[in-house]
Amino acid sequence: QKEVEQNSGPLSVPEGAIASLNCTYSDRGSQSFFWYRQYSGKSPELIMSIYSNGDKEDGRFTAQLNKASQYVSLLIRDSQPSDSATYLCAGGGSGGYNKLIFGAGTRLAVHP
Amino acid sequence: DAGITQSPRHKVTETGTPVTLRCHQTENHRYMYWYRQDPGHGLRLIHYSYGVKDTDKGEVSDGYSVSRSKTEDFLLTLESATSSQTSVYFCAISEFVTQYQETQYFGPGTRLLVL
Repeated sequence: QKEVEQNSGPLSVPEGAIASLNCTYSDRGSQSFFWYRQYSGKSPELIMSIYSNGDKEDGRFTAQLNKASQYVSLLIRDSQPSDSATYLCAGGGSGGYNKLIFGAGTRLAVHP
Repeated sequence: DAGITQSPRHKVTETGTPVTLRCHQTENHRYMYWYRQDPGHGLRLIHYSYGVKDTDKGEVSDGYSVSRSKTEDFLLTLESATSSQTSVYFCAISEFVTQYQETQYFGPGTRLLVL
């Protein structure tokens, strides 16, 4: 059973701090990884994609991938109350690069 | 929003009735997906399509069927709805960054309640 695991949270951080969200995956064949943000009652919105080991930065967001440890993380710098949402980690690429396996999500709460 | 619409957006139905959900896209994407989202389970793939009349099963396909007679429309049918199919259903499409790197974008979702 291919799995993606996330801590459900809530992860509570003060405004302006760095929020660190983590994800592990079981399928060593996974080639691509994604972070989605989902506000309550809304659809998932893509934040970051990462395909290679190392870091990928986009504005306040940094995704980190370590394939040897089967670990993906998302750092949000200068967290804002508007970042409060559920963050979904997804992995894909094994057995069909378009079959994504999603984690259950981590709820992030940024308090003023 | 990748030009994806879903209909209906909300539906209440009774156990045993058939239900069809529609996903419509306007940008000629080849790959389309149906997911369901339940508390504690994240998003789970029901079925997907890789072209007109080309579909395949996902992780939780039992009790669901799909059809794709046109590129722009992907239909999900619950032949005989059960209470366990109460969920939020999301349609998604793939956009390809490279031949092997694809990203999925989601529609607004359909909330289905089976009484």
